[in-house]
Amino acid sequence: GQQLNQSPQSMFIQEGEDVSMNCTSSSIFNTWLWYKQDPGEGPVLLIALYKAGELTSNGRLTAQFGITRKDSFLNISASIPSDVGIYFCAGSSFGNEKLTFGTGTRLTIIP
Amino acid sequence: DADVTQTPRNRITKTGKRIMLECSQTKGHDRMYWYRQDPGLGLRLIYYSFDVKDINKGEISDGYSVSRQAQAKFSLSLESAIPNQTALYFCATRLAGDNEQFFGPGTRLTVL
Repeated sequence: GQQLNQSPQSMFIQEGEDVSMNCTSSSIFNTWLWYKQDPGEGPVLLIALYKAGELTSNGRLTAQFGITRKDSFLNISASIPSDVGIYFCAGSSFGNEKLTFGTGTRLTIIP
Repeated sequence: DADVTQTPRNRITKTGKRIMLECSQTKGHDRMYWYRQDPGLGLRLIYYSFDVKDINKGEISDGYSVSRQAQAKFSLSLESAIPNQTALYFCATRLAGDNEQFFGPGTRLTVL
């Protein structure tokens, strides 16, 4: 089956720093999604990508759909305390009704 | 009001008990999903449904069953709960033709 490798598993940063995380797939996806999960809550969709090479922003968040269609990247600029949480990538391929999720990146902001 | 709701939010039960987790949505979506989340393993698909009465197994369906008797409701049952079913359970919905899934707030289940 499809495998998604998400890295890093965790990040400890100071407020104001920029953050980068990525996902790589063993097979081609036609859609990449990035979710954020706060403690005690379900994942919330941040950004959706539908085209290879696409670069999409949502406020301080920017995500890219890799040219090979096997990877995606999420960047957060000028991190703030409310950015703390777990970030998940997810992908799906043509004709597949299911999403494959990465294992998550836990973001912690050091005071 | 939340578009996707789950009940209960927390449940503690004993080994061998039958448990039902409920999911309701007001988004009008036809697709509904049940996932399980364990630390370090991300979200894994248990079952999904394209419409009323339609049921499909996910990657970890053993030990679980589901029922979709109305478009807005999708329930997950553990017929005889066991401790390794202790996890966070999430319901999600999706509109046919879209790839984006929308998640409920989750149910934390503990099986003693």
